[in-house]
Amino acid sequence: EPEVTQTPSHQVTQMGQEVILRCVPISNHLYFYWYRQILGQKVEFLVSFYNNEISEKSEIFDDQFSVERPDGSNFTLKIRSTKLEDSAMYFCASNQPGGTNTDTQYFGPGTRLTVL
Amino acid sequence: AQSVTQLDSHVSVSEGTPVLLRCNYSSSYSPSLFWYVQHPNKGLQLLLKYTSAATLVKGINGFEAEFKKSETSFHLTKPSAHMSDAAEYFCVVRRTDSWGKLQFGAGTQVVVTP
Repeated sequence: EPEVTQTPSHQVTQMGQEVILRCVPISNHLYFYWYRQILGQKVEFLVSFYNNEISEKSEIFDDQFSVERPDGSNFTLKIRSTKLEDSAMYFCASNQPGGTNTDTQYFGPGTRLTVL
Repeated sequence: AQSVTQLDSHVSVSEGTPVLLRCNYSSSYSPSLFWYVQHPNKGLQLLLKYTSAATLVKGINGFEAEFKKSETSFHLTKPSAHMSDAAEYFCVVRRTDSWGKLQFGAGTQVVVTP
């Protein structure tokens, strides 16, 4: 069964460094998302992406964050200058427009980002 | 605005006994509601979803949920808990003012004892 994959599973970085989190969505999906979950808190929406542009972003997704689909398979989240409060589990998700499963977002296993 | 409230942060059940996880939603429109499960060190897996076709929704692994508009509830149940059901469960609503933005509840941690 197709699945969303994410790399790395765990990333440790120093405050102020840039990180890129990578995701490979399910191949025929066209909508892509990033969510994050700070330890002990709710899963929060960050951004949605369709047709090579951001469809929607939350107030968390400030100028330090960017997303890109650099090729036909990868979807990346970049944090330019990490802060301690960026430490969280980051989930990528994708879904397919149309059909009965149009609502269903399929999630990857997550990347745990630790900022020191 | 849409939101979900999970009424229990932790639920402990004995193996073989019923499981009930409670979720109330708030929505101005007919919502799309989901239950996701997260096993330790795993991603979020869809258990089931409600999208107005039927009020009683059956999902994977013997779980089901009933949409009750009068009570604004979408509780998740399973008749007989298995050890493998130990996980965190999230009630989720898709916001109607947004194509794909999901809003998560705080989660319910389920512990299953032998």
